[in-house]
Amino acid sequence: QKEVEQNSGPLSVPEGAIASLNCTYSDRGSQSFFWYRQYSGKSPELIMFIYSNGDKEDGRFTAQLNKASQYVSLLIRDSQPSDSATYLCAVMGGSGTYKYIFGTGTRLKVLA
Amino acid sequence: NAGVTQTPKFRILKIGQSMTLQCTQDMNHNYMYWYRQDPGMGLKLIYYSVGAGITDKGEVPNGYNVSRSTTEDFPLRLELAAPSQTSVYFCAGATDTDTQYFGPGTRLTVL
Repeated sequence: QKEVEQNSGPLSVPEGAIASLNCTYSDRGSQSFFWYRQYSGKSPELIMFIYSNGDKEDGRFTAQLNKASQYVSLLIRDSQPSDSATYLCAVMGGSGTYKYIFGTGTRLKVLA
Repeated sequence: NAGVTQTPKFRILKIGQSMTLQCTQDMNHNYMYWYRQDPGMGLKLIYYSVGAGITDKGEVPNGYNVSRSTTEDFPLRLELAAPSQTSVYFCAGATDTDTQYFGPGTRLTVL
């Protein structure tokens, strides 16, 4: 069974701090990695995707991928109360696979 | 564009009843997906489709069926509803495999 693991949290950080969210996956053949944000009672929305080892930055968000360690993370700089949400990590397998496997999500609370 | 729309928003079923959850998209998505999300959990893939006439099972297909007769519509059929199918159901569409756009969800309760 292919799995994606996340700490459920809640992860509490003060406003303005860096929030670090982590995700590990079991399928070594996974090719694509995604971070979604989900506000309570709402549908998920894509924040970032990453394919290659290393860092990918988009505004206050940085995704980091380490395929050797089967680890993907999301950093949120200058955290705001509006960032308080559940962050879902998703992984897609190798070529020819169109299935996404989601983690259970990490709940982030940014304290004003 | 309306994006991905789902109907109904809420539904209560009795055990053994059947229903169809509707999903429609107007963004020319090739790929469409059905997920369920139980409280405090992530999304579990039920079925997906890579184009009209093509569907495949996800992680948790038992108790569900789908069809994709057109690019726009991807209905999910529940036969013989059971309490274990109480969940929030999300439909999503994607033009490529980078970005999924989710519908607003259907909250289903089976009593």
